Amino acid sequence: DAGVIQSPRHEVTEMGQEVTLRCKPISGHNSLFWYRQTMMRGLELLIYFNNNVPIDDSGMPEDRFSAKMPNASFSTLKIQPSEPRDSAVYFCASTSTGGRNEKLFFGSGTQLSVL
Amino acid sequence: GENVEQHPSTLSVQEGDSAVIKCTYSDSASNYFPWYKQELGKRPQLIIDIRSNVGEKKDQRIAVTLNKTAKHFSLHITETQPEDSAVYFCAAREYGNKLVFGAGTILRVKS
Repeated sequence: DAGVIQSPRHEVTEMGQEVTLRCKPISGHNSLFWYRQTMMRGLELLIYFNNNVPIDDSGMPEDRFSAKMPNASFSTLKIQPSEPRDSAVYFCASTSTGGRNEKLFFGSGTQLSVL
Repeated sequence: GENVEQHPSTLSVQEGDSAVIKCTYSDSASNYFPWYKQELGKRPQLIIDIRSNVGEKKDQRIAVTLNKTAKHFSLHITETQPEDSAVYFCAAREYGNKLVFGAGTILRVKS
C-alpha cells in the first residue's frame, strides 16, 4: 500500500489567493482527518470525516477554510482567501473505524507558505 | 472535549540512558492512547499504542503504561540511541474517534 498520499508537498502562494490541498487515504480506510501543525499550536485537528461525511469541523478556524470528501478515495482542504497566518504544515491522516485496527496513519504533509 | 497535557517539553539524555515522557488526559471516556515519533521534516509515525483495558505494553526498547484512575499514561524508552532523537507526541482518542494530541516533547540523545 502506498499509504496516505498528499499533494502538493510544498505550496507557496500570495496572500489572497485560493489554495487547495489534496489527500488520498489508504484504501479501505473509512475515516479521514485533516490536521494543521505549527510551532505555536502543535497538531490541531481541523476536521474529520467518517464514511465521507463530515463529523466534526469545530477545528476549522474560519469560514475561509472548507473541506470536502466527494468519495472514499479523495478529499480536499481549501483556503480562500489565504492569509500569511495560514502558513503551516497540513497533514491528512486516515484510519479504519468499527474494528480493532484503529491506527491512524499520516500522509507526508503539505508545507504551505502564504506570502 | 478532550485535553491532553504532555511533559516535559524538552528532554536531553545521555546515550544508553532511559527517557520517560508523561501525558495526562481529561476525558475518562477516552479509550485509546497512541504515541507518535516525528523526525524533522517528516510525518508523525506511530511507534506504540495502548487501549484502555490494558495497563502496560512493551515493544523492544519502548513501553507504554496507562493509569486509568489517574488519567495518565507514559512512554518509556530504554537504552536510548542517537536515532531516538525526535519529537514525540502522545494522543488520546475521545468518543467519536477524534484523536487529540499533546504539545510534543523534543528528545535529544547525546552521544
